[in-house]
Amino acid sequence: GQNIDQPTEMTATEGAIVQINCTYQTSGFNGLFWYQQHAGEAPTFLSYNVLDGLEEKGRFSSFLSRSKGYSYLLLKELQMKDSASYLCAVRGGFSGGYNKLIFGAGTRLAVHP
Amino acid sequence: GAVVSQHPSWVICKSGTSVKIECRSLDFQATTMFWYRQFPKQSLMLMATSNEGSKATYEQGVEKDKFLINHASLTLSTLTVTSAHPEDSSFYICSANWAGETYEQYFGPGTRLTVT
Repeated sequence: GQNIDQPTEMTATEGAIVQINCTYQTSGFNGLFWYQQHAGEAPTFLSYNVLDGLEEKGRFSSFLSRSKGYSYLLLKELQMKDSASYLCAVRGGFSGGYNKLIFGAGTRLAVHP
Repeated sequence: GAVVSQHPSWVICKSGTSVKIECRSLDFQATTMFWYRQFPKQSLMLMATSNEGSKATYEQGVEKDKFLINHASLTLSTLTVTSAHPEDSSFYICSANWAGETYEQYFGPGTRLTVT
């Protein structure tokens, strides 16, 4: 079956760096996504990895190791507005659709002053 | 570009009634639309995949007769929750995939359904 694991909650200090890990076991793989979601709102796209390595985008970076079934999202220079849930999602060749996304449970990040 | 809208943004209905939620791609043609459900403090659960002009593909455990999905055009998909019950109260989110886009799904703002 499909399994995507990430920590339930994390806390960090404003200005610091935080790394949110995600491990996955899926029947197919065609990319891993990170989304940010504020309470009561739809997810917003942060990053996409399909090849191994690091993708950097401003204060956000995402890393993927396909052999290990592992990814992390790195947030630098944390700001209070970064307090949100961060969702790891895998796109795979599951039955029923090529573009299907399977989401992890999300990591609620709280940034403190 | 790549904006997806949902209507209504929130709805309250009585138990036993039906509710229709619309998902529109405003500036692109969505070959595939996805419907998700999210309960409080939980992640998004895919309910069904909808392709224009064909029947939706439902995920295991999702009742297709209760959650009716219609994808009549390349810019509109609708989800109808039939005979709603309080346990159907949830946040319903749609997303759309553009044929020319290699990977990203564009999410709508979500619809909060409360069944009393």
